[in-house]
Amino acid sequence: QQQVKQSPQSLIVQKGGISIINCAYENTAFDYFPWYQQFPGKGPALLIAIRPDVSEKKEGRFTISFNKSAKQFSLHIMDSQPGDSATYFCAASGGTDKLIFGTGTRLQVFP
Amino acid sequence: DAGITQSPRHKVTETGTPVTLRCHQTENHRYMYWYRQDPGHGLRLIHYSYGVKDTDKGEVSDGYSVSRSKTEDFLLTLESATSSQTSVYFCAIRPGLANTGELFFGEGSRLTVL
Repeated sequence: QQQVKQSPQSLIVQKGGISIINCAYENTAFDYFPWYQQFPGKGPALLIAIRPDVSEKKEGRFTISFNKSAKQFSLHIMDSQPGDSATYFCAASGGTDKLIFGTGTRLQVFP
Repeated sequence: DAGITQSPRHKVTETGTPVTLRCHQTENHRYMYWYRQDPGHGLRLIHYSYGVKDTDKGEVSDGYSVSRSKTEDFLLTLESATSSQTSVYFCAIRPGLANTGELFFGEGSRLTVL
């Protein structure tokens, strides 16, 4: 059973466009929602995170939107660049020492 | 660089053989994690440790054991490797005592079981 559901599995965006990745969860004990970025051959790295008492968090071109009532959160990448091409994972933690990841989205940004 | 070293980085082994992967950290973090990464499944937690000799199971712990006899080392053992354990294994550390969702990952260990 996937505790954090992520979509789409892959995404192709043109340079300058907006990339949107969505995640949903069921466990209401979750209270931290980070996003990780992974380049080929490397380990994942924390990109941005949000808590459920905030509906939106922005860092540069990256924005997390959070809908607590729907138990959904999403990552928006504005003005997508070829250097953003990577695999993105949403994740959730809370109530335990575990961090549960989504299945990942492979983003390709073409010039 | 969070001072995490995984070894070996690549290993090919045969079904039924034991395999041990090592994660070494240099910054005395209390929490350490082992994940496996597979296409279509993302990152799945195998085991984690919250101190020396203190470990707990994750989502996919069957067929795996762990040990942590000192703070800096967290070992993942496959007692009898199977082809379904072919994967990329990542070790991670948590930099703080509170679970804020922030982990630092190693570079990964690619294991192929023939």
